[in-house]
This record gives sequence, structure tokens and C-alpha cells, in this order.
Amino acid sequence: QKEVEQNSGPLSVPEGAIASLNCTYSDRGSQSFFWYRQYSGKSPELIMSIYSNGDKEDGRFTAQLNKASQYVSLLIRDSQPSDSATYLCAVNPGTGFQKLVFGTGTRLLVSP
Amino acid sequence: DVKVTQSSRYLVKRTGEKVFLECVQDMDHENMFWYRQDPGLGLRLIYFSYDVKMKEKGDIPEGYSVSREKKERFSLILESASTNQTSMYLCASSSRGNQPQHFGDGTRLSIL
Repeated sequence: QKEVEQNSGPLSVPEGAIASLNCTYSDRGSQSFFWYRQYSGKSPELIMSIYSNGDKEDGRFTAQLNKASQYVSLLIRDSQPSDSATYLCAVNPGTGFQKLVFGTGTRLLVSP
Repeated sequence: DVKVTQSSRYLVKRTGEKVFLECVQDMDHENMFWYRQDPGLGLRLIYFSYDVKMKEKGDIPEGYSVSREKKERFSLILESASTNQTSMYLCASSSRGNQPQHFGDGTRLSIL
């Protein structure tokens, strides 16, 4: 069974610090990787997509992918209280239909 | 921007009722999905569709059916609502290939 694992947290960081969120996946053939942010009571919002090994930066967010080690991470620089949310990692296993496998999410708390 | 619109944000129904949840997307996406999300259980896929009039069972299809008569619209039907179907229901869409899914705002459904 294809799995995506995340630490449920909460991960607590002070305002201005770097938050590091990690995700591992089981299917070595996985093709594409996504990070979603979900505020309490709201729906998931796409914040990053990454398809090849290495880093991808978008503003304060950096996604890192290492296919050999089967992990993907999200770094949030200069964390703000408004970043407090649950972050979902999603992986496309790359076989057949383009379903995503979601992790259960990591709750991030940024304290002022 | 992708817009996925779910017909209701909050809905209250009674056990035994037939319930319809509607979802419309405006980006000509081929793929559409229905999930439910419960605390501690993450996102669970109910049904998905990769083309008009096509549907596939997800991980938890029991008690649900779907309809996709037009490309932009994907309906979820609870044939005879039960209290264990009280949940947050999320619709998503994506284009073909290794593309992310985009979510609607969700419908919080309560079955009394």
C-alpha cells in the first residue's frame, strides 16, 4: 500500500524562525509532490509543487525533494503567526490514474 | 486562478434522507474528486472521475454514489444518509498529467 508519512506535531517555532516540515513516501516511482496548507475549518490550499530533485523556492517557502531517500520537505523562513496551520504532503505515485496520496498532516504553531 | 465551487458551506439533514452535494469547476479539468475529512483520519477518497460519465471508486465508496453528466460538474449523492456520514466533504479537480488538485471550500454536513 502506498503511504505518505508525516509527523503529526504540533511543531512549535517562535516568530521569525525557520520551520522545517518533513514527509516520507513509500513508492519509489512517485512522480510529483505537493504541499498544501490547511487552516482549521478550511479546505487545503496548494502552496508548493515540486517534480525534480533539489530545491524549489517561492517567497518564504522552499520545497526540497530527495527521490533517492524518498523524502520531501518544506521550509518556511521568517515564520509568522499566520503560518500556523496544518501542512499536508501529497504524492502522485505515478502509476495509472493521477490520484494523490495524502499524509495526515503536520500541525505548525508559530508563537509571537 | 482555478475555481472549484461547492454548492453549500453548511448543510443539516436527517437520517434516511437522500443528500446531494454539488461541485463545479471552471478550468476545464478532466479529473474530479470527492473526499471526506474527519479529525485524526485525514483525507479519504470517496469517488473520482477522469472524464464525463466515467467514475471510479475510491477508498470508502460505501453509502455514496456520484454523477458526472457534464465535464465541469461532479455530484456526490448520499443515498440514505446516516449519522456516521457527518463530516467535512471536499471536492477537488485537476488536469491530466502530474498536476496538483485544487480544492473547493468544503461542505460541512451534519446528519441528525
